[in-house]
Amino acid sequence: EAGVTQFPSHSVIEKGQTVTLRCDPISGHDNLYWYRRVMGKEIKFLLHFVKESKQDESGMPNNRFLAERTGGTYSTLKVQPAELEDSGVYFCASSQWGANEKLFFGSGTQLSVL
Amino acid sequence: AQSVAQPEDQVNVAEGNPLTVKCTYSVSGNPYLFWYVQYPNRGLQFLLKYITGDNLVKGSYGFEAEFNKSQTSFHLKKPSALVSDSALYFCAVKDSGAGSYQLTFGKGTKLSVIP
Repeated sequence: EAGVTQFPSHSVIEKGQTVTLRCDPISGHDNLYWYRRVMGKEIKFLLHFVKESKQDESGMPNNRFLAERTGGTYSTLKVQPAELEDSGVYFCASSQWGANEKLFFGSGTQLSVL
Repeated sequence: AQSVAQPEDQVNVAEGNPLTVKCTYSVSGNPYLFWYVQYPNRGLQFLLKYITGDNLVKGSYGFEAEFNKSQTSFHLKKPSALVSDSALYFCAVKDSGAGSYQLTFGKGTKLSVIP
């Protein structure tokens, strides 16, 4: 069974540019999450999809971040325009059912904004 | 609000010795508690969870954790450390009564097992 895959693994962009991160969850997992870890700090929740619907986007930092989940399959997270403080590792995770379930994480996208 | 504290940034232990990685939490209701491990250049992997029932939870790779409600702790333990256990460990909590599915993570504890 394929795991959660994320692309790209690394991205280096300049301030003001746009970057799009992609996540392919495990097939059949309705729940998809985005988390972010800024260097040395906690892993912070960004948002949660159930199928194609945004269930909780309370962690999205501002309106420069836009997440979509086309047809309830893969998801994209776009940052436009990127700022220096957006640098960090962006993790995607998926799960099948309930809130007490374990999450399956991707390897993350290391984003560096210069 | 929910929060997690991992008071140690780094834990060093000799191979073969027991290890403990500490975690305390705060939630309004009853907690769902998790431990995840991250190896270099990899995503987080699930180790174990406490939902309800027995306070001692056994997980992957010989790890276990004890839920202590009075001390609001969920420390990760292993009787005999291996060099291959060296990694970054994250404790996480979710309020079982909250409508959101979001996990709150601690800052992580780097475990180094010395040969």
